Amino acid sequence: EVELVESGGGLVQPAGSLRLSCAASGLRFNNFVMSWVRQAPGKGLEWISAISGGGGGIDYADSVKGRFTISRDNSENTLYLQMNSLTAEDTAVYFCAKESWARDLDVWGKGTTVTVSS
Amino acid sequence: DIQMTQSPSSLSAFVGDSVTITCRASQDISNFLAWFQQKPGRAPKSLIYSASTLQDGVSSKFSGSGSGTDFTLTISSLQTEDVATYYCQQYTSYPLTFGGGTKVEIK
Repeated sequence: EVELVESGGGLVQPAGSLRLSCAASGLRFNNFVMSWVRQAPGKGLEWISAISGGGGGIDYADSVKGRFTISRDNSENTLYLQMNSLTAEDTAVYFCAKESWARDLDVWGKGTTVTVSS
Repeated sequence: DIQMTQSPSSLSAFVGDSVTITCRASQDISNFLAWFQQKPGRAPKSLIYSASTLQDGVSSKFSGSGSGTDFTLTISSLQTEDVATYYCQQYTSYPLTFGGGTKVEIK
């Protein structure tokens, strides 16, 4: 069974940084595109970044471009999201999700909460 | 970016009713459309992909249809465990985009 487990969330001050991790198991990790999706309190879902299986293809939402960096370590089956210059608008639950062969997001982690506040 | 518009934003129905949620894309997305169910405090769960294909293990009470720009999700015989927010999402191109969600409640 495929499982994704996020970690690294917490309370951070405005302008601060945080690095999220997503540990994957039960799959050949390097075969799959992975995404980060977030959900602000009481709001809908917002896709923020994706990375190809080999790591050479990367996309970002405009809202995080230049501040967030997605990466992956296929030897460790782990996806990362480095978040810099955080603002209150980045407060959200952050989910990692796996893209299937059909290109839909078929498996999601439970999420990790990021709170940006002084 | 492709905009996804869901309607209604919320609905209330009786146990046993059939309910339909619509999703409209701002441009042709073929059938690259997924539906998710999200219960409070939980991660989204994939129900349907390719507009009408049920994920493994998902109840056949859920059905999807449509192509191009107009799509629907139907929940037959609504039960209390179906109370959730439902989202559509296009994956024809990045940035991936979601509809605003439809909150389904029981009368």
